[in-house]
Amino acid sequence: AQKVTQAQTEISVVEKEDVTLDCVYETRDTTYYLFWYKQPPSGELVFLIRRNSFDEQNEISGRYSWNFQKSTSSFNFTITASQVVDSAVYFCALSEWITDKLIFGTGTRLQVFP
Amino acid sequence: EAGVAQSPRYKIIEKRQSVAFWCNPISGHATLYWYQQILGQGPKLLIQFQNNGVVDDSQLPKDRFSAERLKGVDSTLKIQPAKLEDSAVYLCASSLNRDGSTDTQYFGPGTRLTVL
Repeated sequence: AQKVTQAQTEISVVEKEDVTLDCVYETRDTTYYLFWYKQPPSGELVFLIRRNSFDEQNEISGRYSWNFQKSTSSFNFTITASQVVDSAVYFCALSEWITDKLIFGTGTRLQVFP
Repeated sequence: EAGVAQSPRYKIIEKRQSVAFWCNPISGHATLYWYQQILGQGPKLLIQFQNNGVVDDSQLPKDRFSAERLKGVDSTLKIQPAKLEDSAVYLCASSLNRDGSTDTQYFGPGTRLTVL
């Protein structure tokens, strides 16, 4: 069965701190996709990144970076120099190649205080 | 490019009443999804359409929920009759999926339903 675990329910940091959000997944497929979405208080899910199972290169986009490790089935997300606007719930999700269905984790609420 | 549109944004009804939600996907997107997000949880897929055909409705409570996507564009999701446990945010998403590959799903703002 497919499953996504985000063990951190809530994280609080002070502005400019670095923070890492953990994501561990389970799947029997060899081809799959991993995603991160941001859900600000307005409620809309905002797409951040998509990674396929054959691409283990880490990615950096501005203050955001992602570390994909198949050996530990993890796809962690780091925000460098956090800002108040980063406050949101962040979801990690898994999609198998055939079904396209997104399996979401329970989310991590990040609060960044000024 | 316009994003996924949903209406209404908020709805309050009493149990046993009916309610309908509307979604207009991103232009040209072949696949449309409806998700239910209960407070404190991640979204859960209710139904997936490819053009106007149903791909997956295994988690749709068919005794009370129904959905359609006529003409392969807009979609409506209906609940009849509503129960207290249906209180949630209903999210619509769409993806391109023109060549059968997995594409990114883009989400609308959601409809927050409260059942009293």
